[in-house]
Amino acid sequence: EVQLVESGGGLVQPGRSLRLSCAASGFTFDDYAMHWVRQAPGKGLEWVSGISWNSGSIGYADSVKGRFTISRDNAKNSLYLQMNSLRAEDTALYYCAKTGSSWYSDDAFDIWGQGTMVTVSS
Amino acid sequence: QSVLTQPPSASGTPGQRVTISCSGSSSNIGSNYVYWYQQLPGTAPKLLIYRNNQRPSGVPDRFSGSKSGTSASLAISGLRSEDEADYYCAAWDDSLSGHVFGTGTKVTVL
Repeated sequence: EVQLVESGGGLVQPGRSLRLSCAASGFTFDDYAMHWVRQAPGKGLEWVSGISWNSGSIGYADSVKGRFTISRDNAKNSLYLQMNSLRAEDTALYYCAKTGSSWYSDDAFDIWGQGTMVTVSS
Repeated sequence: QSVLTQPPSASGTPGQRVTISCSGSSSNIGSNYVYWYQQLPGTAPKLLIYRNNQRPSGVPDRFSGSKSGTSASLAISGLRSEDEADYYCAAWDDSLSGHVFGTGTKVTVL
């Protein structure tokens, strides 16, 4: 079964850091680009960041650029999101999502995890 | 911040046809594919339509997508109670070099 399982969320104070992980199974992880998408409580979806199969192409939403870093370890079938200088507006459910191609480009998010909640509050 | 605009809500009775619009610009919908996602209450989003009008395996043919210029639409025919959900359009944006989502539309089955 194709599966994505996020972890690492929690309550963190403004200005602090947090690292999210996404464990992939049931497919050849290093064949596909991966992304992070977040959803603030009661709000819509917001794309956060994406990475190609070989980490050669990476992109970020303007709202997180310079503060968040996406990475992957193909040997461990894992995707990560290092979040620094966290703000209250970063509070959201963070989903990892698989695309249907290897490249960081125009493609669908065909598999989603269940998400991990990040709450930024003092 | 959503770049694609959708109506906040849509509704219909069982069996009716409901259409959701998605408005963008030349840098996203106008030059790239449109995707649609369904998010049932309390669950993760699910891919409903890809490449403007293609359905993944398992998605009923009651769902159809179309695109014209810088706008797109999702149609749900033969509306059923289990279609009650939030629907989001999405596209790649050339200016942002990233993905953008629509504002989302909540579909209610009356």
